Amino acid sequence: AQSVSQHNHHVILSEAASLELGCNYSYGGTVNLFWYVQYPGQHLQLLLKYFSGDPLVKGIKGFEAEFIKSKFSFNLRKPSVQWSDTAEYFCAVRPIGSSNTGKLIFGQGTTLQVKP
Amino acid sequence: EAQVTQNPRYLITVTGKKLTVTCSQNMNHEYMSWYRQDPGLGLRQIYYSMNVEVTDKGDVPEGYKVSRKEKRNFPLILESPSPNQTSLYFCASRLSLGNTEAFFGQGTRLTVV
Repeated sequence: AQSVSQHNHHVILSEAASLELGCNYSYGGTVNLFWYVQYPGQHLQLLLKYFSGDPLVKGIKGFEAEFIKSKFSFNLRKPSVQWSDTAEYFCAVRPIGSSNTGKLIFGQGTTLQVKP
Repeated sequence: EAQVTQNPRYLITVTGKKLTVTCSQNMNHEYMSWYRQDPGLGLRQIYYSMNVEVTDKGDVPEGYKVSRKEKRNFPLILESPSPNQTSLYFCASRLSLGNTEAFFGQGTRLTVV
């Protein structure tokens, strides 16, 4: 079955520390890839997306992600986190194929807590 | 402003009492879907619709119904809610089935007692 795995469930960092959140998926075909952020009490907002082309994708608020096809990975990075980055982060994959239903498959989520 | 609007935002109900959560988008999107979010499970798709009068089951459709009579609206219906349907629900819409991003509503926190 198609699945998305986020390596870290809860990450605690100090301000200015670097961030890397891991995401791996299980699907051998073409995919669209996304990272969403959910601030406390709010809806999901798109951080960045990958459809095709350059595997290094830059998003909003200084986030970037790299698609490594051979590793089925799409890790999220930020060089220096801020207290305002405290949120839950979701990796999502959309398989593209003959039975394309448009479904987004989400990882379990990673809660990031940034200490001031 | 482009948005997906869900109502209500919060709802507490009793087992067996039918309820409807509404979802409306103003972006003329073809594709709409419902997800539920549960701790440790991420978001899972309940139902989706590729266009008016075209709906299909997602991964966790049991206990839910949907309809798509108009392009902008995609209500989620719980005919007989049960406590295991206590969850946070999100409606999402996309322009089409192609390489497009999804926009999410604000969420509806449902508690069934």
